[in-house]
Amino acid sequence: NAGVMQNPRHLVRRRGQEARLRCSPMKGHSHVYWYRQLPEEGLKFMVYLQKENIIDESGMPKERFSAEFPKEGPSILRIQQVVRGDSAAYFCASSHKGNTEAFFGQGTRLTVV
Amino acid sequence: GESVGLHLPTLSVQEGDNSIINCAYSNSASDYFIWYKQESGKGPQFIIDIRSNMDKRQGQRVTVLLNKTVKHLSLQIAATQPGDSAVYFCAENKLVFGAGTILRVKS
Repeated sequence: NAGVMQNPRHLVRRRGQEARLRCSPMKGHSHVYWYRQLPEEGLKFMVYLQKENIIDESGMPKERFSAEFPKEGPSILRIQQVVRGDSAAYFCASSHKGNTEAFFGQGTRLTVV
Repeated sequence: GESVGLHLPTLSVQEGDNSIINCAYSNSASDYFIWYKQESGKGPQFIIDIRSNMDKRQGQRVTVLLNKTVKHLSLQIAATQPGDSAVYFCAENKLVFGAGTILRVKS
């Protein structure tokens, strides 16, 4: 049973480009969470999704950021028109259901140049 | 909004000693709490969880204590080892995280 898979592990984008971060949850998990982490800081909640539904997006910036978790395929975190301040590590976690043990991926490190 | 916070940003302990990492939470409606360990360059790793109908739960070398009266959570690590050096986060419902505590183990 593979763990939570995130790809790419490292992503470099120029200012103004789009970044697409993928998260494949553990088998059987239908809940996905996305987080952003700056160096030496904590994990900032962004969005919580179930299959085909956004449950809580209170941590998502209103502009340029979007997330989806389609019926088939991985969850996608999309950042349009990236700026240098978007540079961070982005982690996703998955769980079988809410308020249960959640497992994290190894993260995608986004660098905007 | 509601948040989870940690009291001590850095904790240094001698190898073999016990470590206690504390966490305060503000959402009194939270009924599920988790501790995670994050090593440099890696994703957070689940350590132990506890539900609000319990006040103590033990794992292998770790114990989590929950005090709902004062909304306080702690992680106790027995016989701390160099491999325990990491950042420790507590999280509550829907995985809202605090800032983290850095644990440094001195040999």
